[in-house]
Order: sequence, then structure tokens, then C-alpha cells
Amino acid sequence: EAGVAQSPRYKIIEKRQSVAFWCNPISGHATLYWYQQILGQGPKLLIQFQNNGVVDDSQLPKDRFSAERLKGVDSTLKIQPAKLEDSAVYLCASGEGRGRVIGYTFGSGTRLTVV
Amino acid sequence: QKEVEQDPGPLSVPEGAIVSLNCTYSNSAFQYFMWYRQYSRKGPELLMYTYSSGNKEDGRFTAQVDKSSKYISLFIRDSQPSDSATYLCAMSTGRRALTFGSGTRLQVQP
Repeated sequence: EAGVAQSPRYKIIEKRQSVAFWCNPISGHATLYWYQQILGQGPKLLIQFQNNGVVDDSQLPKDRFSAERLKGVDSTLKIQPAKLEDSAVYLCASGEGRGRVIGYTFGSGTRLTVV
Repeated sequence: QKEVEQDPGPLSVPEGAIVSLNCTYSNSAFQYFMWYRQYSRKGPELLMYTYSSGNKEDGRFTAQVDKSSKYISLFIRDSQPSDSATYLCAMSTGRRALTFGSGTRLQVQP
């Protein structure tokens, strides 16, 4: 079974620039999550999709962050404009379904540095 | 107060030692308890999963949940250098996505 694919692996941008991250979940997984992991901290949920609908985006800074999941498969997370405090690893995970909190599979993440 | 508290370490032990990792939590609605292992520059991978209270053993790993104390533990027996990683506890009510602790960095010295 192929894992969760994320790209790019690394990105360095200047503050106030925009950036986008891409995620391809495991085939057939209905639930997709974006987490932000700041150095030395645990992952923090940004947004959860069930198929192509948003289940939870309560912790997404909507003034600068946006995410979409087209056709219930791939997803894109965008930051515009970026701030220094957005420097973090952005992890994408997918799971089989809304009620199944086990079986999350994470990608390797995109490491963002904002300078 | 954070929903999930975890000592960040780092924790350094000699090879073969028994390791104890712990988390406390404040949300009594948590029912699902997990431990993830994260190697450097990798995503977290699920190590152990427990539903409600009790113990679960898998090889050298034992997970314990004490809901009355809101306290969970992961024990690693006969620790190996390959166990060196960050260990993250994670929890859920079942209705929401996982809430993670901050992670404990473990170093097993050969």
C-alpha cells in the first residue's frame, strides 16, 4: 500500500510571500487531515476533511490559511501571506473514515521556513 | 492548561533499560489513546492503540491507561538504539481528530 505523499519536502520563503503544499492520501481513505508541527511541539490540527467536505477547521487561521480537497482525493494547503511564526512542518494524514480515529497514516511532511 | 501534557525530555537511557513515558490529560471524554513514534524528519507512525482503560502489550511495548487519574503510560522493555525517537501520545473522544502531546525525545545509548 502506497503511503501518504506530500510535496515539496522543504520550502524557504520570505515573510509576506505565499506558499502551497500538496497532499495525496492513501487510495480509498475518506478522511484527510492537515496538522502543523512547530519545532519541539506535537502536531496541531489545522483542518479535517471528510471526502471533499470540511469537518473541522476551528483551528485554521482563516485570515491567511486556506485548504481545499478537490474531488475528495488530493488536497492543497495554502498560506498567504506567510508570517515568521508559520515556520513549521506541515503534516498531512489520511484515515479510513470519520469514526475511525485509529489508522491515521502520516506523510513525511513539508518543512517550511519563513525568513 | 493544555488538554494533553507530556514531558519533553530529552530522556537518555543505556541500551537494555526499561523506559517509561507518560502523559496526563484534562478532557474526561477522551476514549481513544495512542502512542506514535516519530523519527527525525519523518511523519509520526502509530505504535500502540488502546480503547478506554487497561493495558495492552505488543512485543517490547506496553501501553497503560488509567482514566481515573487521567494518566497514560508507554513502557519499552530492553530498549534498543533503534528506539531513539520522539514519542507522542495522542487522544480522541472518537468524534474529533487526534489531540497530541508535545512529545518526549528518547535517546538510547549503545
